Amino acid sequence: KAGVTQTPRYLIKTRGQQVTLSCSPISGHRSVSWYQQTPGQGLQFLFEYFSETQRNKGNFPGRFSGRQFSNSRSEMNVSTLELGDSALYLCASSLVDQSSYEQYFGPGTRLTVT
Amino acid sequence: AQSVAQPEDQVNVAEGNPLTVKCTYSVSGNPYLFWYVQYPNRGLQFLLKYITGDNLVKGSYGFEAEFNKSQTSFHLKKPSALVSDSALYFCAVRALSGGYQKVTFGTGTKLQVIP
Repeated sequence: KAGVTQTPRYLIKTRGQQVTLSCSPISGHRSVSWYQQTPGQGLQFLFEYFSETQRNKGNFPGRFSGRQFSNSRSEMNVSTLELGDSALYLCASSLVDQSSYEQYFGPGTRLTVT
Repeated sequence: AQSVAQPEDQVNVAEGNPLTVKCTYSVSGNPYLFWYVQYPNRGLQFLLKYITGDNLVKGSYGFEAEFNKSQTSFHLKKPSALVSDSALYFCAVRALSGGYQKVTFGTGTKLQVIP
């Protein structure tokens, strides 16, 4: 099976702009989670989607939003970008059943805000 | 609130020696526990998990971890370290929090295996 894919891999944006990141999960995986990874804060959970519904949300401001489509693909949007939003954004998919729950991560999108 | 602690930022071990990377957690209910590894310039990869059953779980690349409920720990171990094991290791817990299954990652431990 193909792994989790994320597009684009790299982005450079200016403060105040908005950005949309895309994630395609492993075929058959219905759960998609998003994380922000920075050297200072480590891996921080943004949100999780399952069957097009946001199931959980981390402690990020409302500028960070997401959605999931019927084919399980997910997008994450960040509006009014700030310098501190520069990070590696990781998407992970999982089966989410009682015997599973492990997550499979994509390569990430490296966002630089200038 | 649930949390995961990896008390060591870095662990150094000589090649061939056993290695341990520590992880403790705090959750309200029953935890699902995971270890992930991140090699330089590569994505996070799943190593192993504890869902239920035997406290000692085996995973990829010869790694294993022991679930200790009384000590709320899930330490990662390997009997004989390889230089290629050098990477960043993350412990994660999934548990019910506020009515939802929530995943929390530790801050990561850099493992350096010295030839």
